[in-house]
Amino acid sequence: AQSVTQLDSQVPVFEEAPVELRCNYSSSVSVYLFWYVQYPNQGLQLLLKYLSGSTLVESINGFEAEFNKSQTSFHLRKPSVHISDTAEYFCAVSLYSGNTPLVFGKGTRLSVIA
Amino acid sequence: DAGVIQSPRHEVTEMGQEVTLRCKPISGHDYLFWYRQTMMRGLELLIYFNNNVPIDDSGMPEDRFSAKMPNASFSNLKIQPSEPRDSAVYFCASSQAPGAGGDTQYFGPGTRLTVL
Repeated sequence: AQSVTQLDSQVPVFEEAPVELRCNYSSSVSVYLFWYVQYPNQGLQLLLKYLSGSTLVESINGFEAEFNKSQTSFHLRKPSVHISDTAEYFCAVSLYSGNTPLVFGKGTRLSVIA
Repeated sequence: DAGVIQSPRHEVTEMGQEVTLRCKPISGHDYLFWYRQTMMRGLELLIYFNNNVPIDDSGMPEDRFSAKMPNASFSNLKIQPSEPRDSAVYFCASSQAPGAGGDTQYFGPGTRLTVL
Protein backbone atom coordinates (compact mmCIF):
# COMPACT_ATOMS: atom_id res chain seq x y z
CA ALA A 1 0.00 0.00 0.00
CA GLN A 2 1.04 3.56 -0.59
CA SER A 3 1.09 6.40 1.91
CA VAL A 4 1.93 10.09 1.81
CA THR A 5 3.22 12.28 4.61
CA GLN A 6 3.11 16.04 4.45
CA LEU A 7 5.33 17.13 7.25
CA ASP A 8 3.83 20.57 7.85
CA SER A 9 0.12 21.15 8.39
CA GLN A 10 0.49 24.94 8.22
CA VAL A 11 3.14 27.16 6.68
CA PRO A 12 2.94 30.94 7.12
CA VAL A 13 5.27 32.96 4.90
CA PHE A 14 5.68 36.62 3.99
CA GLU A 15 4.88 37.80 0.50
CA GLU A 16 7.81 37.56 -1.94
CA ALA A 17 9.64 35.11 0.34
CA PRO A 18 10.55 31.60 -0.82
CA VAL A 19 8.61 28.58 0.39
CA GLU A 20 9.04 24.81 0.48
CA LEU A 21 6.19 22.40 1.22
CA ARG A 22 7.49 18.97 2.10
CA CYS A 23 6.11 15.65 0.93
CA ASN A 24 7.40 12.15 1.54
CA TYR A 25 5.83 8.98 0.27
CA SER A 26 6.04 5.28 0.97
CA SER A 27 5.53 2.58 -1.62
CA SER A 28 6.99 -0.81 -2.47
CA VAL A 29 6.50 -0.16 -6.19
CA SER A 30 7.03 2.78 -8.51
CA VAL A 31 4.44 5.50 -8.22
CA TYR A 32 3.39 8.67 -9.96
CA LEU A 33 3.41 11.88 -7.96
CA PHE A 34 1.11 14.88 -7.96
CA TRP A 35 0.59 18.19 -6.23
CA TYR A 36 -2.95 19.56 -6.13
CA VAL A 37 -4.04 22.97 -4.84
CA GLN A 38 -7.37 23.74 -3.20
CA TYR A 39 -8.51 27.35 -2.91
CA PRO A 40 -11.21 28.13 -0.32
CA ASN A 41 -14.56 26.53 -1.12
CA GLN A 42 -13.31 25.10 -4.37
CA GLY A 43 -12.34 21.71 -5.73
CA LEU A 44 -8.81 20.47 -6.24
CA GLN A 45 -6.77 21.69 -9.19
CA LEU A 46 -3.69 19.94 -10.50
CA LEU A 47 -0.58 22.02 -9.91
CA LEU A 48 2.06 19.69 -11.31
CA LYS A 49 2.87 16.03 -11.75
CA TYR A 50 5.79 13.66 -12.11
CA LEU A 51 5.21 10.64 -14.33
CA SER A 52 8.67 9.95 -15.75
CA GLY A 53 11.68 11.67 -17.27
CA SER A 54 13.21 14.79 -15.72
CA THR A 55 12.94 14.71 -11.97
CA LEU A 56 12.30 18.47 -11.84
CA VAL A 57 8.81 19.47 -12.88
CA GLU A 58 7.40 22.97 -13.11
CA SER A 59 3.96 24.57 -13.11
CA ILE A 60 2.86 27.58 -15.11
CA ASN A 61 2.59 29.79 -12.01
CA GLY A 62 6.14 29.44 -10.76
CA PHE A 63 5.98 26.36 -8.54
CA GLU A 64 8.39 23.49 -9.03
CA ALA A 65 8.85 20.09 -7.44
CA GLU A 66 11.69 17.61 -7.56
CA PHE A 67 11.29 13.87 -7.42
CA ASN A 68 13.94 12.27 -5.25
CA LYS A 69 13.70 8.51 -5.40
CA SER A 70 16.40 7.78 -2.84
CA GLN A 71 14.72 10.02 -0.28
CA THR A 72 11.20 9.14 -1.44
CA SER A 73 10.35 12.83 -1.52
CA PHE A 74 8.53 15.24 -3.81
CA HIS A 75 8.90 18.64 -2.19
CA LEU A 76 7.16 21.68 -3.66
CA ARG A 77 8.99 25.00 -3.91
CA LYS A 78 8.42 28.53 -5.08
CA PRO A 79 11.13 31.20 -4.99
CA SER A 80 8.75 34.11 -4.38
CA VAL A 81 5.16 33.70 -3.19
CA HIS A 82 2.19 35.98 -3.77
CA ILE A 83 -0.91 36.61 -1.70
CA SER A 84 -2.87 34.68 -4.32
CA ASP A 85 -0.89 31.52 -3.48
CA THR A 86 -2.73 31.26 -0.16
CA ALA A 87 -4.44 27.87 -0.34
CA GLU A 88 -4.22 24.28 0.81
CA TYR A 89 -1.75 22.08 -1.03
CA PHE A 90 -2.07 18.32 -1.29
CA CYS A 91 0.61 15.85 -2.31
CA ALA A 92 -0.68 12.59 -3.80
CA VAL A 93 0.56 9.36 -5.33
CA SER A 94 -0.98 6.78 -7.61
CA LEU A 95 0.18 3.51 -9.09
CA TYR A 96 -0.63 4.34 -12.68
CA SER A 97 -1.02 7.94 -13.84
CA GLY A 98 -4.53 9.26 -13.50
CA ASN A 99 -6.55 6.11 -13.80
CA THR A 100 -6.03 4.60 -10.42
CA PRO A 101 -7.06 6.12 -7.11
CA LEU A 102 -4.98 8.89 -5.67
CA VAL A 103 -3.64 8.51 -2.14
CA PHE A 104 -3.40 11.94 -0.57
CA GLY A 105 -1.39 13.46 2.22
CA LYS A 106 -3.23 15.42 4.90
CA GLY A 107 -2.49 18.73 3.21
CA THR A 108 -0.45 21.84 4.00
CA ARG A 109 -2.17 25.16 4.47
CA LEU A 110 0.00 27.90 2.98
CA SER A 111 -0.78 31.36 4.30
CA VAL A 112 0.96 34.25 2.58
CA ILE A 113 1.23 37.36 4.73
CA ALA A 114 1.38 40.84 3.21
CA ASP B 1 -15.90 21.98 -21.44
CA ALA B 2 -17.70 22.86 -18.22
CA GLY B 3 -15.54 20.57 -16.13
CA VAL B 4 -16.84 18.08 -13.60
CA ILE B 5 -20.25 19.16 -12.32
CA GLN B 6 -21.54 18.25 -8.89
CA SER B 7 -24.89 18.94 -7.29
CA PRO B 8 -25.97 20.09 -4.87
CA ARG B 9 -23.08 22.26 -3.70
CA HIS B 10 -24.41 22.24 -0.16
CA GLU B 11 -26.76 19.83 1.54
CA VAL B 12 -28.08 20.04 5.07
CA THR B 13 -30.20 17.17 6.29
CA GLU B 14 -31.32 15.49 9.45
CA MET B 15 -30.04 12.21 10.75
CA GLY B 16 -31.90 9.27 9.25
CA GLN B 17 -32.76 10.97 5.97
CA GLU B 18 -31.64 9.73 2.57
CA VAL B 19 -29.06 11.87 0.80
CA THR B 20 -28.24 11.76 -2.91
CA LEU B 21 -25.15 13.43 -4.35
CA ARG B 22 -24.79 13.79 -8.10
CA CYS B 23 -21.88 14.02 -10.50
CA LYS B 24 -21.52 14.68 -14.20
CA PRO B 25 -18.00 13.83 -15.42
CA ILE B 26 -16.19 15.58 -18.24
CA SER B 27 -17.47 14.32 -21.58
CA GLY B 28 -15.27 11.56 -22.99
CA HIS B 29 -13.74 10.60 -19.66
CA ASP B 30 -13.84 6.89 -18.94
CA TYR B 31 -12.98 6.94 -15.24
CA LEU B 32 -14.99 8.43 -12.40
CA PHE B 33 -13.90 8.66 -8.77
CA TRP B 34 -15.72 9.59 -5.56
CA TYR B 35 -13.61 10.96 -2.70
CA ARG B 36 -14.56 12.20 0.75
CA GLN B 37 -12.74 14.94 2.66
CA THR B 38 -12.94 15.24 6.43
CA MET B 39 -10.82 17.05 8.97
CA MET B 40 -9.91 13.84 10.75
CA ARG B 41 -9.14 11.56 7.81
CA GLY B 42 -8.31 13.95 4.99
CA LEU B 43 -9.12 12.94 1.41
CA GLU B 44 -10.05 9.31 0.91
CA LEU B 45 -11.31 7.29 -2.02
CA LEU B 46 -14.79 5.87 -1.67
CA ILE B 47 -15.29 4.14 -5.02
CA TYR B 48 -14.28 4.41 -8.65
CA PHE B 49 -15.73 3.35 -11.99
CA ASN B 50 -14.31 2.51 -15.39
CA ASN B 51 -16.73 2.64 -18.31
CA ASN B 52 -19.62 2.77 -15.82
CA VAL B 53 -18.51 -0.39 -14.02
CA PRO B 54 -17.43 -0.19 -10.36
CA ILE B 55 -13.80 -1.25 -10.06
CA ASP B 56 -13.02 -0.75 -6.39
CA ASP B 57 -15.56 0.05 -3.69
CA SER B 58 -13.39 -0.94 -0.74
CA GLY B 59 -13.46 2.64 0.54
CA MET B 60 -17.24 2.74 0.95
CA PRO B 61 -17.69 3.00 4.72
CA GLU B 62 -20.61 0.64 5.15
CA ASP B 63 -23.82 -0.61 3.63
CA ARG B 64 -25.48 2.74 4.16
CA PHE B 65 -23.42 4.04 1.22
CA SER B 66 -24.11 3.08 -2.38
CA ALA B 67 -22.97 4.48 -5.71
CA LYS B 68 -24.09 3.90 -9.25
CA MET B 69 -23.12 5.04 -12.70
CA PRO B 70 -26.09 4.27 -14.98
CA ASN B 71 -24.43 5.92 -18.00
CA ALA B 72 -21.24 7.69 -19.04
CA SER B 73 -22.67 11.09 -18.14
CA PHE B 74 -23.92 10.58 -14.63
CA SER B 75 -23.12 9.04 -11.28
CA ASN B 76 -24.80 9.31 -7.91
CA LEU B 77 -23.75 8.56 -4.39
CA LYS B 78 -26.49 7.72 -1.90
CA ILE B 79 -26.40 7.59 1.86
CA GLN B 80 -29.36 5.91 3.55
CA PRO B 81 -29.84 6.49 6.41
CA SER B 82 -27.52 9.41 6.95
CA GLU B 83 -25.65 9.96 10.23
CA PRO B 84 -23.84 13.01 11.66
CA ARG B 85 -20.47 11.32 11.11
CA ASP B 86 -21.18 11.38 7.36
CA SER B 87 -20.75 15.16 7.41
CA ALA B 88 -17.92 15.93 5.00
CA VAL B 89 -17.12 17.35 1.57
CA TYR B 90 -17.67 14.79 -1.18
CA PHE B 91 -15.68 15.21 -4.38
CA CYS B 92 -16.18 13.64 -7.75
CA ALA B 93 -13.29 13.42 -10.22
CA SER B 94 -12.91 12.06 -13.74
CA SER B 95 -10.06 11.13 -16.06
CA GLN B 96 -9.47 9.82 -19.54
CA ALA B 97 -8.26 6.37 -20.49
CA PRO B 98 -4.46 5.85 -20.44
CA GLY B 99 -4.14 5.78 -24.19
CA ALA B 100 -5.99 9.06 -24.46
CA GLY B 101 -3.63 10.96 -22.21
CA GLY B 102 -5.38 10.03 -18.99
CA ASP B 103 -2.71 11.04 -16.53
CA THR B 104 -4.72 13.61 -14.61
CA GLN B 105 -7.85 13.47 -12.49
CA TYR B 106 -10.08 16.53 -12.76
CA PHE B 107 -12.09 17.38 -9.68
CA GLY B 108 -15.52 18.90 -9.29
CA PRO B 109 -16.24 21.69 -6.78
CA GLY B 110 -17.51 19.23 -4.19
CA THR B 111 -20.72 18.83 -2.18
CA ARG B 112 -20.58 19.95 1.43
CA LEU B 113 -22.85 17.63 3.40
CA THR B 114 -24.00 18.45 6.90
CA VAL B 115 -26.05 15.87 8.78
CA LEU B 116 -27.69 17.26 11.91
